[in-house]
Amino acid sequence: DIVMTQSPDSLAVSLGERATINCKSSQSVLYSSNNKNYLAWYQQKPGQPPKLLIYWASTRESGVPDRFSGSGSGTDFTLTISSLQAEDVAVYYCQQYYSTPMCSFGQGTKLEIK
Amino acid sequence: EVQLVESGGVVVQPGGSLRLSCAASGFTFDDYAMHWVRQAPGKGLEWVSLISWDGGSTYYADSVKGRFTISRDNSKNSLYLQMNSLRAEDTALYYCAKDMGVPAASWVMDVWGKGTTVTVSS
Repeated sequence: DIVMTQSPDSLAVSLGERATINCKSSQSVLYSSNNKNYLAWYQQKPGQPPKLLIYWASTRESGVPDRFSGSGSGTDFTLTISSLQAEDVAVYYCQQYYSTPMCSFGQGTKLEIK
Repeated sequence: EVQLVESGGVVVQPGGSLRLSCAASGFTFDDYAMHWVRQAPGKGLEWVSLISWDGGSTYYADSVKGRFTISRDNSKNSLYLQMNSLRAEDTALYYCAKDMGVPAASWVMDVWGKGTTVTVSS
């Protein structure tokens, strides 16, 4: 099974500053035949269900602000929020969908305002 | 508006059974695979099960295989999760989620319900 490990577990960033969350998979989630990374990011605000932000490691879901970006390939991935807004306080999860028919999430990273 | 509404969560004794439901609206339900994902109190997300658009294929996490059964009724735009032999560790908020792929599952979840709470306790 592919294990997803996020770092840090929590971080505090000042408003307007950059926030960076890392996700590492225990094996590559890059499918060589189509050169796609099977990695998604979700945002879960307090008391709400998760919301899809990014898939294929870097494709932003419709309606997601462009301050959110995803990068990385193979086993190492990053979610970057370029200029933190108050409404971005949430827990962020990465998910691999390479090893279907199952998928797995990282443990989550809690993002707060400094 | 695309919407998923879960129901059926209750307090149940260990070893008991329960059926969760998810009512879908605002999209062509029978075009999409559907998932159940759970979240134990204060914990992260755990994928539970997926069913294909036509119900012909089902998949389960090892933690629930043999105890849970996913099903759907496309005529009623509804998804179900039959949960048997429940354990304390099954206590969680259970989310219904729509797969974004059509018709084949992509395993990416683009719409989520608000969840229904299952508590397994004596």
